[in-house]
Amino acid sequence: DTGVSQDPRHKITKRGQNVTFRCDPISEHNRLYWYRQTLGQGPEFLTYFQNEAQLEKSRLLSDRFSAERPKGSFSTLEIQRTEQGDSAMYLCASSFIQLLSTDTQYFGPGTRLTVL
Amino acid sequence: QKEVEQNSGPLSVPEGAIASLNCTYSDRGSQSFFWYRQYSGKSPELIMFIYSNGDKEDGRFTAQLNKASQYVSLLIRDSQPSDSATYLCAVNRDDKIIFGKGTRLHILP
Repeated sequence: DTGVSQDPRHKITKRGQNVTFRCDPISEHNRLYWYRQTLGQGPEFLTYFQNEAQLEKSRLLSDRFSAERPKGSFSTLEIQRTEQGDSAMYLCASSFIQLLSTDTQYFGPGTRLTVL
Repeated sequence: QKEVEQNSGPLSVPEGAIASLNCTYSDRGSQSFFWYRQYSGKSPELIMFIYSNGDKEDGRFTAQLNKASQYVSLLIRDSQPSDSATYLCAVNRDDKIIFGKGTRLHILP
């Protein structure tokens, strides 16, 4: 399967615990995005990387959230001290961007987080 | 004003008819426009993108863009029950893509 993959697909945790999600983008895609989606809403941008550089992080994003893409390939999203409001689907998308091209993003299957 | 607005629906269309989904956006600087389909519990799946005024056709799908009116639409011809899903309109802003809330489409057998 050469699409975007995410792990785990489901995560149930207790409030206050830390969780980490992984995303493997499509091979050779240089951009990787993290989104969060709650019921009835569209995906909400969290952060993105171009290669290993984190270029932007949403101003709405709590400092409990951190993301890395250490070698420009896979990425991890960590949420510290989880809260019930963090319950959502966490989506990863990747794209290949070059000069004057359209940033067409392809999504992974998502990680559904439930915070009890 | 929200950046990307869509009617949440549900939009009910008889099987075989044309489904018309609409979207407006606020940033006149946006250059690229996307339609994604999302089945319940699944992740968004890209249907098509458009960046020039006019129509772009791909199989049963036609995207229409009017930058002057800041309006994007998606037409689905010969609607099938398998087209029942939420359709997300998305617009680029800087290096990000901003999504609308989506329109739920229900194809009536």
